[in-house]
Amino acid sequence: GENVEQHPSTLSVQEGDSAVIKCTYSDSASNYFPWYKQELGKGPQLIIDIRSNVGEKKDQRIAVTLNKTAKHFSLHITETQPEDSAVYFCAGSNTGNQFYFGTGTSLTVIP
Amino acid sequence: DTEVTQTPKHLVMGMTNKKSLKCEQHMGHRAMYWYKQKAKKPPELMFVYSYEKLSINESVPSRFSPECPNSSLLNLHLHALQPEDSALYLCASSHPANTEAFFGQGTRLTVV
Repeated sequence: GENVEQHPSTLSVQEGDSAVIKCTYSDSASNYFPWYKQELGKGPQLIIDIRSNVGEKKDQRIAVTLNKTAKHFSLHITETQPEDSAVYFCAGSNTGNQFYFGTGTSLTVIP
Repeated sequence: DTEVTQTPKHLVMGMTNKKSLKCEQHMGHRAMYWYKQKAKKPPELMFVYSYEKLSINESVPSRFSPECPNSSLLNLHLHALQPEDSALYLCASSHPANTEAFFGQGTRLTVV
């Protein structure tokens, strides 16, 4: 099955700086890669996703890039704000009904 | 509306109790999921229903019994649980095949 690795496990940035989280996947058949933000005591919230036929996608301060050849994808958050502090999970899917999650990154934005 | 509603939000149960977790969505999604999440870990897939039929069971113990009464509802029946089953139980839904999955807020389950 798919194996998704995520780095770093923790990340602290100053408010206004950028944050980058990276994931690699093993199954070349994976073709859908969502990113989730999970705040304490809440369920994961889909923040952005990308499909394998696209190299980059942007939504305001959030962007995701995908390198199919290298089998890695990254989340970029610019102009970070304290409310961006949360745990972020990447995921990969190749069958549509099964998402393989990375191990999570705890992001802290320091005011 | 991208809402998946789970009830109850919190549940404490004894090891001999029988309880049920409920999940509801009205987005017309035909795939629904149960995940288990332990503290500081990613969600782990338990079950997938596709068009109201169980399509994936990730070798979950029989003390967890899923049910999908219709396309909007998903239940998880619990019986004879162990303290190590204490976790956040998350429900999610999506259109089948590689599309956005939306999660509920979860049920925080404590087994005593």
